[in-house]
Amino acid sequence: GAVVSQHPSRVICKSGTSVKIECRSLDFQATTMFWYRQFPKKSLMLMATSNEGSKATYEQGVEKDKFLINHASLTLSTLTVTSAHPEDSSFYICSAKGGGETQYFGPGTRLLVL
Amino acid sequence: ELKVEQNPLFLSMQEGKNYTIYCNYSTTSDRLYWYRQDPGKSLESLFVLLSNGAVKQEGRLMASLDTKARLSTLHITAAVHDLSATYFCASQGAQKLVFGQGTRLTINP
Repeated sequence: GAVVSQHPSRVICKSGTSVKIECRSLDFQATTMFWYRQFPKKSLMLMATSNEGSKATYEQGVEKDKFLINHASLTLSTLTVTSAHPEDSSFYICSAKGGGETQYFGPGTRLLVL
Repeated sequence: ELKVEQNPLFLSMQEGKNYTIYCNYSTTSDRLYWYRQDPGKSLESLFVLLSNGAVKQEGRLMASLDTKARLSTLHITAAVHDLSATYFCASQGAQKLVFGQGTRLTINP
C-alpha cells in the first residue's frame, strides 16, 4: 500500500524559533499533499492543501506567513512553523494523494513549543 | 459548506456487546471514509464507501452508506477491548476531506 512518512516524529523547540516538518510519499508520486492540525481530543483540522510546483491553498483562519508550506517535488512537502509559540504546540499530520481520491496519512509530528 | 457530524461522541461499552456509531453529512458527497486513531498515533484507514447501499466488513466492524439519507454507520459486533480507540468518519467534499468530531470508544472487560 501507499506509504507516507513524516520527520521528525517529535520535536521540542524554544519559543521564537522555527521548525520544519517533512512529509514524504515513499512509493508513489503525490500530486497533492494536505497538512492537518489536531489538538488533544479533537478532530483533524485542515490547514492547507499543496500541489506540486504551485503555492499552497490555505484554509480560512490559517496564517500563511506563519505556516509556510513548500511542495517542491512529487514526493516531498514541508511545513515550516515560523517563530513558534506555545499555542502552536499540536499534533501535525500530513496526507498525500496520487492520481486517485484516497488520501494516505503520515504518522504525525508532535510539536511542543516551550 | 459540507459538515459532518458523528454521534455519539463518547461511547463506553462492555465486551461482547454490539453498538453503532452514526455519521451524518450535510451535502452530496462522492465517498465516505472511516478511520481509527489510537492515542498518540495518526489515522488508520478502515473503510472507504463509494456508493449508495455499500457495505464493507472487516472482522467485528461493518460500515454502511446510505447516500439518500446522507448517513453512514459503523457497527461493532461483539466488542473486544482491542477495539478501544477514537473513530472518525470523513466525507469527501469538492476539494478536501471533512472530518466528523470523532467517537471515543472505550470497551470495558
